[in-house]
Amino acid sequence: GAVVSQHPSRVICKSGTSVKIECRSLDFQATTMFWYRQFPKKSLMLMATSNEGSKATYEQGVEKDKFLINHASLTLSTLTVTSAHPEDSSFYICSAAWDTQYFGPGTRLTVL
Amino acid sequence: EDKVVQSPLSLVVHEGDTVTLNCSYEVTNFRSLLWYKQEKKAPTFLFMLTSSGIEKKSGRLSSILDKKELFSILNITATQTGDSAVYLCAVDNYGQNFVFGPGTRLSVLP
Repeated sequence: GAVVSQHPSRVICKSGTSVKIECRSLDFQATTMFWYRQFPKKSLMLMATSNEGSKATYEQGVEKDKFLINHASLTLSTLTVTSAHPEDSSFYICSAAWDTQYFGPGTRLTVL
Repeated sequence: EDKVVQSPLSLVVHEGDTVTLNCSYEVTNFRSLLWYKQEKKAPTFLFMLTSSGIEKKSGRLSSILDKKELFSILNITATQTGDSAVYLCAVDNYGQNFVFGPGTRLSVLP
């Protein structure tokens, strides 16, 4: 079946630094990838929709300058959390769309 | 290899029917199993199950986990057209990662 990977799986960084998270579709091409953030009660919040070769579409309330998304190829999208702060600590999950959405395993970000 | 399997992959029923969606898993360090409903974009959280045999209910939806046989079911009674969605099962692999199943696409016809 379709596989989506994320790297790194876990990252700890200092406040003020930037962190890049990669999302890859391993065996299919995804023109659209989605980035989610998981909140404490297990709900997933859609942050943005990433389209290959064009600018990402951000959901209301998500700062585009803070969460930079680049969809450089049909198999890779990256999310960069710029100037990270402790409140950015969370679980970030991507999904890639083909016939349905295939979810990555997530990246746990801890900002100290 | 960690994996989550859902069945059926798609299902078409009529309003008023009862459906049972299945989720089986094999993961390294099980912590919890989660069910989501996905209609448009972001999945909506339904249930989190950690203990075997304890049914969780929310209106017409209910779910139960069997940690011995490594599966969970999601029941929807008296289905309505608004229940049409993709239902996702995901397993929390003890904080290391999430393993999502492929989803079951439910279509409820009037």
